[in-house]
Amino acid sequence: EPEVTQTPSHQVTQMGQEVILRCVPISNHLYFYWYRQILGQKVEFLVSFYNNEISEKSEIFDDQFSVERPDGSNFTLKIRSTKLEDSAMYFCASGPGTGYEKLFFGSGTQLSVL
Amino acid sequence: QKEVEQDPGPLSVPEGAIVSLNCTYSNSAFQYFMWYRQYSRKGPELLMYTYSSGNKEDGRFTAQVDKSSKYISLFIRDSQPSDSATYLCAMSARETSGSRLTFGEGTQLTVNP
Repeated sequence: EPEVTQTPSHQVTQMGQEVILRCVPISNHLYFYWYRQILGQKVEFLVSFYNNEISEKSEIFDDQFSVERPDGSNFTLKIRSTKLEDSAMYFCASGPGTGYEKLFFGSGTQLSVL
Repeated sequence: QKEVEQDPGPLSVPEGAIVSLNCTYSNSAFQYFMWYRQYSRKGPELLMYTYSSGNKEDGRFTAQVDKSSKYISLFIRDSQPSDSATYLCAMSARETSGSRLTFGEGTQLTVNP
């Protein structure tokens, strides 16, 4: 079964540093998403991306965040200057367009900001 | 008022029990309703997907949506220890195409052998 792959599984960084979280979506999917889950809290939507543009973003997705599809296979989330409160599990998801039964999540990257 | 509310539990049941998990919501624009299962430190995995009101059954799982009450449920029959996980409800106003899912807090379920 196809899967969304995220690397690294765990990243530790110092406050104020830039981090890039990487995702390889399912190959024929067109829509890409980032969600995050702070420990003990709900999964929260960050951003969706289609045709090299942001489709929708949440209030959390401020100027310190950016997304990019640098080539035909990768989808990245960059956090420019990390804060302690950015510590969370970040999930990438991809889908072909319509139909939630075809939306798949990766296993996540645990980001720890010290 | 939270858009989606879900009792976080924890919920502990014996093997073979019927489990009932529920969410309420406040946003009447929600049309698409999902239940995800999440194992520790893993991504959400879709269990059930329903559109608008009604019931949907898949094996031991039944999802119910009551839009008039803004209430959704997931029933698990003949629960197994392998069903032990966190169950997340999620909902959306649009059928993907870039739209966001709004999740509940998740209910942690343990099925004891």
